[in-house]
Amino acid sequence: AQSVTQLGSHVSVSEGALVLLRCNYSSSVPPYLFWYVQYPNQGLQLLLKYTSAATLVKGINGFEAEFKKSETSFHLTKPSAHMSDAAEYFCAVSVRSGNEKLTFGTGTRLTIIP
Amino acid sequence: SQTIHQWPATLVQPVGSPLSLECTVEGTSNPNLYWYRQAAGRGLQLLFYSIGIDQISSEVPQNLSASRPQDRQFILSSKKLLLSDSGFYLCAWTLGGFGYTFGSGTRLTVV
Repeated sequence: AQSVTQLGSHVSVSEGALVLLRCNYSSSVPPYLFWYVQYPNQGLQLLLKYTSAATLVKGINGFEAEFKKSETSFHLTKPSAHMSDAAEYFCAVSVRSGNEKLTFGTGTRLTIIP
Repeated sequence: SQTIHQWPATLVQPVGSPLSLECTVEGTSNPNLYWYRQAAGRGLQLLFYSIGIDQISSEVPQNLSASRPQDRQFILSSKKLLLSDSGFYLCAWTLGGFGYTFGSGTRLTVV
């Protein structure tokens, strides 16, 4: 079975500062990894995904994440935070299978300080 | 293009009443379909998934059930709601292209 751990349920950064949201995974087989963003009372939107191609993955809204097998990590970063980045972020893992079940972390709420 | 519709957006139901939430996908065939629940301050819990009509797997024992009467329709039901069923319910689909597309969710409050 696979799992993800998101370190920090709440993260606050100043507008214009670096955003770093941490995610560590556990999987017995090569994983597929995802980051999703959720705005209040909305569904989840895919930010980016790692599916065993390039280890540095670029997503929407200026976000990127790097897959580091040796550290079992898939941290999400953005060089300069914008007020519109305030949301909840979920890391998720799956493995290649017929049902493609995603296992989600507990989420990190990102607050941007003006 | 593919779209996913989920309704209603909000629902307030008394304890013991029945529940029916519907999710439909357009623009694709034979998708994998999923129901997740998000309780306040918690992550997403997979409730049911389906890889085809009448092929439904339950992840968590509870008083909820799911059905897939048509290829692109996924229904979440309950005969008698509990207070603990309150939460934000999300439907999602995938074609195995690695990653889900989510619906906009249903906020269920059981009173």
